[in-house]
This record gives sequence, structure tokens and C-alpha cells, in this order.
Amino acid sequence: DSGVTQTPKHLITATGQRVTLRCSPRSGDLSVYWYQQSLDQGLQFLIQYYNGEERAKGNILERFSAQQFPDLHSELNLSSLELGDSALYFCASSGPNPGFVAEAFFGQGTRLTVV
Amino acid sequence: AQKVTQAQTEISVVEKEDVTLDCVYETRDTTYYLFWYKQPPSGELVFLIRRNSFDEQNEISGRYSWNFQKSTSSFNFTITASQVVDSAVYFCALSGMGAQKLVFGQGTRLTINP
Repeated sequence: DSGVTQTPKHLITATGQRVTLRCSPRSGDLSVYWYQQSLDQGLQFLIQYYNGEERAKGNILERFSAQQFPDLHSELNLSSLELGDSALYFCASSGPNPGFVAEAFFGQGTRLTVV
Repeated sequence: AQKVTQAQTEISVVEKEDVTLDCVYETRDTTYYLFWYKQPPSGELVFLIRRNSFDEQNEISGRYSWNFQKSTSSFNFTITASQVVDSAVYFCALSGMGAQKLVFGQGTRLTINP
């Protein structure tokens, strides 16, 4: 058990809908990262938050947004969903230093299926 | 730009054989970190090792060993006396100093046959 909790584990939704994925980092970690794993793109970094503020951005679509709350949990919002958004979405946490990547521990992922 | 290449897409061996997974990376950073993760069939990503660019000592953990060679930009992973439970997809990843994101290779699917 990595200590990073993601909910839900599975999500099936229709095209055009909006979903929210939730992540609770390991105790003491201040950084939260979101990654997308798809068959064609592999594991891609989406976005990082550190102590509530956006720290780094990767290949995140404009239809996607994220935030980190004062209790350090994070949410990834995916809207206007398309079939191609079907993927495994991972959250990872590390910290407390934002300047380098310590051992990044990953949650079990949320498998999103858009039908 | 940073890049990680895992040239072996799939490897299949018989139990108890030794197997080496290759990882080659590209970066312009002088300080960087290399990682290996395991993704078993259940889907989670399991952290195996982190190595910084200043530490070229090889590391051994039980049946696992890692060979870091800066001269060839490689960070290879060897499993000795493989077991069926080692079957998984293995990812090599890279992160630069100050760049928080992990850049992953495409992964190597390892199948250990009984």
C-alpha cells in the first residue's frame, strides 16, 4: 500500500459528460501529481500541485482542470469527455521539498471508460 | 528535452532465468534522477528504486539489481532467478532537478513462464 488513495477505482460515463477524480496524498506529502496512462500515449504527466498551488503543467487538455485543497487532497476534473479520454488516471504524491522529485508514490489509479 | 527509451517491448522467459531490462535516457541536466516502477496486472504502479545522477554505484536488493552507467546513459534492471510473480510491466523514468515531472519510457512487458 503506497499510502496514496484514489477514488473511484472505476468510472464509466458517456461522451460529453464531466467527472471528478479524487486523490488523497500520503501523510506529510505536499506535492500531488496527476498522470494519464493510455495505450497510445503511455504514461503522460498532466499537472503538479504543491501545497495548494499549481507547480508544473504537462500535456493537460484545456477540458481538464485540477486543484489541491487546504487539506492537501486533490481533484482532477475532466469535462466534455471524449472516447479518447478513456484511460487510467494516476495520482502520485511526494514531498515535502518541491524542488526535486523524491520517491513518487502512486495511487492505484482510476480507470475511466467513456462510452 | 528529456527522453527515456525502453527498446524491449516484451520479454518472455522461463522461471529461474535471469533477465535484464534495458533503459536508455536523454537529458541535458547535470543533476537528474532515474526511477524504476513495476506495474503488475492489478494495475498499480509500484516504486522500485530512485537513483541520482551523482551516484553511479550499482545497487542490489534481493533478486533485483540495477546498473547505472552515465557514460552510456543507461540504467538497466536485472532480475536474478526470475519468478512468476515478477510478471509485470516495468517502467523506467527520469526527472530533472527542479523539474518535478517524471518522464516515463514506454515500458517493458515481462512474462515469466512456469
